[in-house]
Amino acid sequence: QVQLVESGGGVVQPGGSLRLSCAASGFTFSSYGMHWVRQAPGKGLEWVAFIRYDGSNKYYADSVKGRFTISRDNSKNTLYLQMNSLRAEDTAVYYCAKSPGGHIDYWGQGTLVTVSS
Amino acid sequence: AIQLTQSPSSLSASVGDRVTITCRASQGISSALAWYQQKPGKAPKLLIYDASSLESGVPSRFSGSGSGTDFTLTISSLQPEDFATYYCQQFNSYPHAFGGGTKVEIK
Repeated sequence: QVQLVESGGGVVQPGGSLRLSCAASGFTFSSYGMHWVRQAPGKGLEWVAFIRYDGSNKYYADSVKGRFTISRDNSKNTLYLQMNSLRAEDTAVYYCAKSPGGHIDYWGQGTLVTVSS
Repeated sequence: AIQLTQSPSSLSASVGDRVTITCRASQGISSALAWYQQKPGKAPKLLIYDASSLESGVPSRFSGSGSGTDFTLTISSLQPEDFATYYCQQFNSYPHAFGGGTKVEIK
């Protein structure tokens, strides 16, 4: 069965950096595009970034462009999100998600990132 | 960027009621729309993709319709496990925006 397990969340000071990981199993990771989606406490879902199956194309929300970088290592079945210059408004649960073609069919359980001094 | 407007933002309904949630796109997105259900403390779950295709394993009381700019999620007979928040998402172009959500509560 498909499993997506995020890790790397925690508390970081404003201006700091954090790298999230998402370990994938139960499907051929190298064949699927992958997303990061976040949800601030008590708020709705916000799409963050997408990477194609082979890493050839990447797309970002305007709110994170230039600060966040999505990447993947298909040999390790792992998705990453490098987050730099973190702000209080980046505080959220971050989900990695699998995309069979546009929509999202599986989500991880999420990892909480808190940006606070 | 395409924006999605969901309505209502919340509603109260009883078990057995027919519930309709709408999602309007700021520009045409063909049928590139999905609907998700989210319960508190849990990850979202896919219900409908390509505007009207029911995801495998999702009960047939859920249905989706629409194309272009106007879309609808319908629950034909609300069940106790359906009380949750529902989100639409467009995947016609990047960024793949979500709607603001509709919280379905027990009347």
